Amino acid sequence: SSELTQDPAVSVALGQTVRITCQGDSLRNHYANWYQKKPGQAPVLVIYGDNYRPSGIPDRFSGSNSGNTDSLTITGAQAEDEADYYCNSRDSSGNPSLFGPGTRVSVL
Amino acid sequence: QVQLVESGGGVVRPGRSLRLSCAASGFAFSSYGMHWVRQAPGKGLEWVAVISYDSKTKKYADSVKGRFTISRDNSKNTLYLQMNSLRGDDAAVYFCAKEELTTIFGMVKYVFFDSWGQGTLVTVSS
Repeated sequence: SSELTQDPAVSVALGQTVRITCQGDSLRNHYANWYQKKPGQAPVLVIYGDNYRPSGIPDRFSGSNSGNTDSLTITGAQAEDEADYYCNSRDSSGNPSLFGPGTRVSVL
Repeated sequence: QVQLVESGGGVVRPGRSLRLSCAASGFAFSSYGMHWVRQAPGKGLEWVAVISYDSKTKKYADSVKGRFTISRDNSKNTLYLQMNSLRGDDAAVYFCAKEELTTIFGMVKYVFFDSWGQGTLVTVSS
């Protein structure tokens, strides 16, 4: 199956740690990218290749993979991290066309 | 810095056509694959189409195949999306995105979208 699944929503207290997961059979063999999306703004890449952080992304964002599950962890969540987060992976041809349904992160 | 600016969105009746544009600057546009990704109101991100740097390869989501055409003009640093036979479920904010990839030993390792435009809104309504 090429489907990716995510929890619809999670909440985290300011300064605490939250982990967002993305599950899918394709993740056993293929990597995940993660995008942050705020209302009215362009998506922003926060993690690529399971665990690589682009320049300019705070080091409180980290990624990992275990079997069919990729995770995005925010360590010490800040108010500005409140957003929707989408995992993304490649299809059989290598095209990054698969998106998860998104997880809304609320920072309390 | 990389800048992607979409335009061409608007209100269109079902069955009609619309062409979106994405003006690129700040990078060697002719060297990169480019994508369209959309987000319907209240919904998640949905990949729409990709075009290779040289226009030789084009791929589409099943939901738009046969109705949408992606193209580019490298002399104008511009990406296009021709949308025909528009339906209500095509209503969305359409983003263009620059493809980036990493390689190891000459083989593609990771592919991702490293820059996005702000999007252009397409409304399909009678």
